[in-house]
Amino acid sequence: EVQLVESGGGLIQPGESLRLSCAASDVTVSDNYMSWVRQAPGKGLEWVSVIYSGGSTYYADSVKGRFTFSRDNSKNMLYLQMNSLRSEDTAVYYCTTLGSGDYWGQGTLVTVSS
Amino acid sequence: AIQMTQSPSSLSASVGDRVTITCRASQGIRNDLDWYQHKPGKAPKLLIYAASSLQSGVPSRFSGSGSGTDFTLTINSLQPEDFATYYCLQNYIYPWTFGQGTKVEIK
Repeated sequence: EVQLVESGGGLIQPGESLRLSCAASDVTVSDNYMSWVRQAPGKGLEWVSVIYSGGSTYYADSVKGRFTFSRDNSKNMLYLQMNSLRSEDTAVYYCTTLGSGDYWGQGTLVTVSS
Repeated sequence: AIQMTQSPSSLSASVGDRVTITCRASQGIRNDLDWYQHKPGKAPKLLIYAASSLQSGVPSRFSGSGSGTDFTLTINSLQPEDFATYYCLQNYIYPWTFGQGTKVEIK
């Protein structure tokens, strides 16, 4: 059974950095395109980023230049490095096979607040 | 970025009703559109991919149509478990973009 488990969320101050992780099982992250999707409190879903099997990445305009999506094929792990965090980045972040199957993690909450 | 405009933003309906949600893209996206159902505290669930293909395991009361800029999600005979928020997602070009969502509530 495919499982995606996010971790690394928490309370962080504006301007600081945070790295989210996503541990995948029964799905090989290097063989699929994997995405991050977020949902701010009381708001809708927002696509954040994708990483292709070949390693190419794409980002939402709202995070481009601040977030970096990477993976460790040997560990079958995904990472979202988030720099220069803003209050509007506060959200539940989901790791997902969006567009390459319908598997989602349970989400991890990131709260950016002073 | 392509903007996806859903309507209505919310609706009230009764069990057994037929519900239609529309999604309009700010430019043509062929049929590169998916529909998701999202319930509070749960992960989103894919219902329809490529505008009109039913995801495996999804009840046949869900259907999708459209291409280009205008798309529709229809729920025939609304069931209690269908009360949720529905989103369209264009995956035609990056950045992928969701519609703002349509909340389906019990009348």
